[in-house]
Amino acid sequence: AQSVTQPDIHITVSEGASLELRCNYSYGATPYLFWYVQSPGQGLQLLLKYFSGDTLVQGIKGFEAEFKRSQSSFNLRKPSVHWSDAAEYFCAVGGGNTDKLIFGTGTRLQVFP
Amino acid sequence: SQTIHQWPATLVQPVGSPLSLECTVEGTSNPNLYWYRQAAGRGLQLLFYSVGIGQISSEVPQNLSASRPQDRQFILSSKKLLLSDSGFYLCAWNKGTNYEQYFGPGTRLTVT
Repeated sequence: AQSVTQPDIHITVSEGASLELRCNYSYGATPYLFWYVQSPGQGLQLLLKYFSGDTLVQGIKGFEAEFKRSQSSFNLRKPSVHWSDAAEYFCAVGGGNTDKLIFGTGTRLQVFP
Repeated sequence: SQTIHQWPATLVQPVGSPLSLECTVEGTSNPNLYWYRQAAGRGLQLLFYSVGIGQISSEVPQNLSASRPQDRQFILSSKKLLLSDSGFYLCAWNKGTNYEQYFGPGTRLTVT
């Protein structure tokens, strides 16, 4: 079955600390991978995407993610978190003969000053 | 550039009343369109998607329906709302081989 797992429901970090949000996927076709961010009461904004090529992709707001095919993972990282990064983060996978994306259940990030 | 609009932004409706949420996309043609629902503290549930005018695919049997009367307009409807229809409704679009989806600002629906 095709699925996306975000094992951490809620993560709390201090401002300035590093961050890693985990994402594991199960997908039958070549995966196209995405990270989205959602601030409270707003829509989702695309942070970054991986289609092919370099497995380390850079996104907006200083985020990066690394695709590891052997581990079926696409973890999101940021070296130094800012208070404004507090939000919910969603990993998603797509590709193959479908236009649909499969989303994980999200990780809520809380940032302490 | 492309933009996506949703309205209303918030809505409070009594149980049993009808519903109509609208989504429009500007700056592109023949997009794929999607309706998602996000219940409190939960992820995104795909409700409907459309690859063209009049073409609607339903993902989950429920009290809701969708229509696409124009190329860039996607409407979510219900004849009689249930309490369980409360949630945050998101519309999204993509096009061609770009699997990435772009989301609207959402509509917060509270059924009382």
